Amino acid sequence: EVQLVQSAAEVKRPGDSLKISCQGSGYHFSSNWIGWVRQTPGGGLEWIGLIFPADSDTRYSPSFQGHVTISVDKSINAADLRWSNLRPSDSGKYFCVTHSAVGDYWGQGTLISVSS
Amino acid sequence: NELRQPSSVSVSPGQTARITCSGDIFGKNFARWLHHKPGRAPLTLIYSDTERPPGIPERFSGSTSGTTVTLTIRGVQVEDEGDYYCYYATDKKWIFGGGTKLIVL
Repeated sequence: EVQLVQSAAEVKRPGDSLKISCQGSGYHFSSNWIGWVRQTPGGGLEWIGLIFPADSDTRYSPSFQGHVTISVDKSINAADLRWSNLRPSDSGKYFCVTHSAVGDYWGQGTLISVSS
Repeated sequence: NELRQPSSVSVSPGQTARITCSGDIFGKNFARWLHHKPGRAPLTLIYSDTERPPGIPERFSGSTSGTTVTLTIRGVQVEDEGDYYCYYATDKKWIFGGGTKLIVL
């Protein structure tokens, strides 16, 4: 069974740095893209980016490029999403998702709250 | 690069629900559909316009006509309530529709 387990909710201040993680199991981790998606407080979904674990090839949405960093640690089947300078507008729920030609499987989400 | 969905669809239990999604970017088998209920992981129901991943019931089906893709749910159950999103997904970019709330009356 494919499973993606995400790290716990976070409460941060503007300007803080943060890393959230996503650990995959039940499939060949290195051979499937892992993506990150943000759910806004209003409920809409926004694509952040994708990484291919085998070679760390990474693609970003123009809306998030330069503000977040996606990385992967193949030794522990985990992908990370990092910020170095959080903004209140980064608040929301973040989902990781493993993406292949035959379907997507999603994590349970990590809720991030950024407020002064 | 915009995907347009109705904001809500209402249906009675046992009936058929159809949710449409229109976008000029469609037409190359990259359309997907997911179901999301608050507090749960999203569940992808359809990929490549019409294909179901393992474990997805046959009452969920996808179809396409030109630049419009449609999710059809036959024999709607109360548990099918929630938000449905179409999305375009490749290994270069993803685009999400605005979401449709399915209301089971």
